[in-house]
Amino acid sequence: SQQGEEDPQALSIQEGENATMNCSYKTSINNLQWYRQNSGRGLVHLILIRSNEREKHSGRLRVTLDTSKKSSSLLITASRAADTASYFCATDADYKLSFGAGTTVTVRA
Amino acid sequence: GAVVSQHPSWVICKSGTSVKIECRSLDFQATTMFWYRQFPKQSLMLMATSNEGSKATYEQGVEKDKFLINHASLTLSTLTVTSAHPEDSSFYICSAHDRTSGNNEQFFGPGTRLTVL
Repeated sequence: SQQGEEDPQALSIQEGENATMNCSYKTSINNLQWYRQNSGRGLVHLILIRSNEREKHSGRLRVTLDTSKKSSSLLITASRAADTASYFCATDADYKLSFGAGTTVTVRA
Repeated sequence: GAVVSQHPSWVICKSGTSVKIECRSLDFQATTMFWYRQFPKQSLMLMATSNEGSKATYEQGVEKDKFLINHASLTLSTLTVTSAHPEDSSFYICSAHDRTSGNNEQFFGPGTRLTVL
């Protein structure tokens, strides 16, 4: 069942700007993961944050997790045209992933 | 990272025929494989979970007799869409996981686009 909900549904930014998207979920999780999907392609794993972690960085990506609010955010800094894609959060409970609806990010050159 | 392949990458078939999609883990043993379906501009919906050597566990609302899953080896799982109809047209994605690794990460295949005419 779908657990994560993301906002915004769509985001359009200028190259070089930052992009922030949020994910909320309903039940307890082991970890939360963020994925990127280019149009019509498979998923690329971006980052995994465990339930006992609050913040994680990977290159230009910064993920936060607030288990008290059951929410997470993904920040992409200094965006590039190649970051144009859909981004999904997925909550992991007992190895099964529940995906959010996704945020479509368009980076304008 | 670990590589998962899917074959075919796309398939077009006539209504009423059956289509088999393969999911292979190329460089690790996948104790568990997951099958997802994604409709245009929507998220991934988990269809079923298959553990090697045992029957698949289907999510609520997914017909097990229509979507046959076989996971006979640690590197291969197949999804057969039986008697396909136009409403089965979708993007089917598999992922693979090794429970013995202690790692929570699932590795996703590139997806198979099924179009039923």
